[in-house]
Amino acid sequence: GQQVMQIPQYQHVQEGEDFTTYCNSSTTLSNIQWYKQRPGGHPVFLIQLVKSGEVKKQKRLTFQFGEAKKNSSLHITATQTTDVGTYFCHWASGGSYIPTFGRGTSLIVHP
Amino acid sequence: SQTIHQWPATLVQPVGSPLSLECTVEGTSNPNLYWYRQAAGRGLQLLFYSVGIGQISSEVPQNLSASRPQDRQFILSSKKLLLSDSGFYLCAWSVWTGGLSTDTQYFGPGTRLTVL
Repeated sequence: GQQVMQIPQYQHVQEGEDFTTYCNSSTTLSNIQWYKQRPGGHPVFLIQLVKSGEVKKQKRLTFQFGEAKKNSSLHITATQTTDVGTYFCHWASGGSYIPTFGRGTSLIVHP
Repeated sequence: SQTIHQWPATLVQPVGSPLSLECTVEGTSNPNLYWYRQAAGRGLQLLFYSVGIGQISSEVPQNLSASRPQDRQFILSSKKLLLSDSGFYLCAWSVWTGGLSTDTQYFGPGTRLTVL
């Protein structure tokens, strides 16, 4: 069956350093989404990637979808304390409406 | 605009007691509805999803159940809580766009349940 791994599980950075989280799938994904969950809060949709090789930017955040549509990454440039939280990738399994989330990467930013 | 409500925000219950968590969505019709559980510092575990009134699919066998008595109402229940039921319960909705598309999930504020 389809397996998607999100790494790393945790990442500690000093404020101003960059951060990247990855989701890697064993099979081709139709599309992929990224969410952010602040501590104590609920996940909030950030972006959706659909096309092979797609790159989207939101201020300091850069999202990429691999050419084979089997991997995706979220990169944050010059992290700030407001970036603290857990970042999840999300995809639908088997063309159905059953959602699946990666295990999440918790970003801790040290001032 | 669409909004999603969950209550209560926090709940402390003794082992063996019943549970009822409610979720309602406003501003959309015939949404897909979902219940997730998140253990402390962990990922999102899909518990139940519903594509229509009275239609419930379970992803994880356990002592929890779900019901959808109305189009925009989703209820999570248990007859007897276990210690392992503690966690952060999140309700979410989406509108299925069909095909292979991944639907955007819109989450409620969540209920933090502690079973003692």
